[in-house]
Amino acid sequence: DAGVIQSPRHEVTEMGQEVTLRCKPISGHDYLFWYRQTMMRGLELLIYFNNNVPIDDSGMPEDRFSAKMPNASFSTLKIQPSEPRDSAVYFCASKRGGGSNQPQHFGDGTRLSIL
Amino acid sequence: GQSLEQPSEVTAVEGAIVQINCTYQTSGFYGLSWYQQHDGGAPTFLSYNALDGLEETGRFSSFLSRSDSYGYLLLQELQMKDSASYFCAVTDGGSQGNLIFGKGTKLSVKP
Repeated sequence: DAGVIQSPRHEVTEMGQEVTLRCKPISGHDYLFWYRQTMMRGLELLIYFNNNVPIDDSGMPEDRFSAKMPNASFSTLKIQPSEPRDSAVYFCASKRGGGSNQPQHFGDGTRLSIL
Repeated sequence: GQSLEQPSEVTAVEGAIVQINCTYQTSGFYGLSWYQQHDGGAPTFLSYNALDGLEETGRFSSFLSRSDSYGYLLLQELQMKDSASYFCAVTDGGSQGNLIFGKGTKLSVKP
């Protein structure tokens, strides 16, 4: 089975540009999570969806960040305008069901550098 | 508030046993998970404990004491490929399925 697929794997862009990160969760998984990982702050949850509906976006840093999940097989995380402090690895993860014993499956991440 | 504490770094030699501790403070608690992340890679699930006691999966075991808000990951017969970061994570009572991660412990296995 295919795992969580993220694109692009690497993104380098200039400050002020719009950045769109994409994620395809594992088929049949009804929860989708977006994380950001930095050395200073570790792995932070930004937002998560259940059945395509955003449940908790309290981790989204500010209005420059937005996320959508138009259908069960696709989600985007958008940063507009981007800033150098947004440089990080962004992970998407999915899981089946709300049980706490269900593991989250992570994609390979998008390494974002804002110059 | 919610917080997890784990050592930032641990070093051990091949063939040895290492224990990575995790203490947590959360408003609610459903279980403690462990994830492994190699440099440049994605976190991958290792284990989950909801009840007190030891769970064994091959060379790795995980322990939980709910009364002490404490758990650990035990890695036996260490191999070079075990060099990675290990994260404990709690599922709290605030949202189903939501994980709160610790800062991670970087394990270096030396020959």
